[in-house]
Amino acid sequence: GQQLNQSPQSMFIQEGEDVSMNCTSSSIFNTWLWYKQDPGEGPVLLIALYKAGELTSNGRLTAQFGITRKDSFLNISASIPSDVGIYFCAGQVYSGGGADGLTFGKGTHLIIQP
Amino acid sequence: SAVISQKPSRDICQRGTSLTIQCQVDSQVTMMFWYRQQPGQSLTLIATANQGSEATYESGFVIDKFPISRPNLTFSTLTVSNMSPEDSSIYLCSALTGVGYGYTFGSGTRLTVV
Repeated sequence: GQQLNQSPQSMFIQEGEDVSMNCTSSSIFNTWLWYKQDPGEGPVLLIALYKAGELTSNGRLTAQFGITRKDSFLNISASIPSDVGIYFCAGQVYSGGGADGLTFGKGTHLIIQP
Repeated sequence: SAVISQKPSRDICQRGTSLTIQCQVDSQVTMMFWYRQQPGQSLTLIATANQGSEATYESGFVIDKFPISRPNLTFSTLTVSNMSPEDSSIYLCSALTGVGYGYTFGSGTRLTVV
């Protein structure tokens, strides 16, 4: 099956620093999504990318859909304490039956030291 | 975006019993999905549930163990049958909602089997 390789697994950074994480796959995806999950909650969508090469921002977050459709990165600028959490990349393909469910990366655990 | 409510939010169950998890969406959606998130792990798709048809299961998941109902466009249930401690996980409901194929998640059901 499809697999997403997400790195790094965890990050320990100082407040105010920029953060970068990425996902790669051997498979092509039609859509790349980035989610954040806080303890005890379901994942919340941060950014959705629909076209190869697309670069999209959401406040301090920027994500890009790789030109090969096999990778994506997420950057967070000027990190703040509430950015702490687990970030997941997810990929989606469209099969003959419509949109498939998501394939998730293993997550990047972001820890911010004040 | 849509709001997804899951019940129960958590439960502790005896091995050999079954638990039915309910998922309610505040708007009509065509596609709903069920995921499992084992402790400290990423999300794994269990099945896709479309109204009016049988659920489609991913490799490693079978209908006898995880029967799913989808009686209408706003509701679905997942049953975890004949539970064992290995079934202890967070079970998440998701729906394809909103413009641009946004996937929204419920807060999850935290299941502990003893």
